[in-house]
Amino acid sequence: GENVEQHPSTLSVQEGDSAVIKCTYSDSASNYFPWYKQELGKRPQLIIDIRSNVGEKKDQRIAVTLNKTAKHFSLHITETQPEDSAVYFCAASQETSGSRLTFGEGTQLTVNP
Amino acid sequence: GAVVSQHPSRVICKSGTSVKIECRSLDFQATTMFWYRQFPKQSLMLMATSNEGSKATYEQGVEKDKFLINHASLTLSTLTVTSAHPEDSSFYICSARRRTSGSTDTQYFGPGTRLTVL
Repeated sequence: GENVEQHPSTLSVQEGDSAVIKCTYSDSASNYFPWYKQELGKRPQLIIDIRSNVGEKKDQRIAVTLNKTAKHFSLHITETQPEDSAVYFCAASQETSGSRLTFGEGTQLTVNP
Repeated sequence: GAVVSQHPSRVICKSGTSVKIECRSLDFQATTMFWYRQFPKQSLMLMATSNEGSKATYEQGVEKDKFLINHASLTLSTLTVTSAHPEDSSFYICSARRRTSGSTDTQYFGPGTRLTVL
């Protein structure tokens, strides 16, 4: 089955700096890669996703890049703000096989004012 | 749009009792829902895939007789934790799959249910 590894497990940045979180996956058949943000005790919220027919996607301060050959994808947050502090999870799935998501272990991002 | 609700949000029960958790997609139909379990400071672990009108598919190591899943309609799936024990205490989260354009899917998560078994 699919295995997703996520690094780093914790990340602390100063407000205004950029943050990068990286994930690797094992199943070359995976073709959908969402990123979720989860605040303490709350539901995971989809913040951005990418499909394997594109290499990069951007939404305001958030961007995701995908390298299918190397089987890794990354989340980039620019101009970080304290409200970006949360746990971020990457995931991978095959959309044509029921969309079963395999999650990474999560990254605790702390943005210091 | 794409709202998923979950009820109850928090439940405390005695060891040996059963607890039912409901997951509803409020503004879309979901032929597939997923049930996850999350321990403190850990990732989401998929327990089972719930398909409307058919039996759920359980992940390896998840006891189907202990975690009963029923997906009776296109907007409702229920998870029943039978004969709960303290080790079942966890955060249970459901998600509903919404088909957007063509063959693309997006999963939307419920707010979760905090189960504490005394």
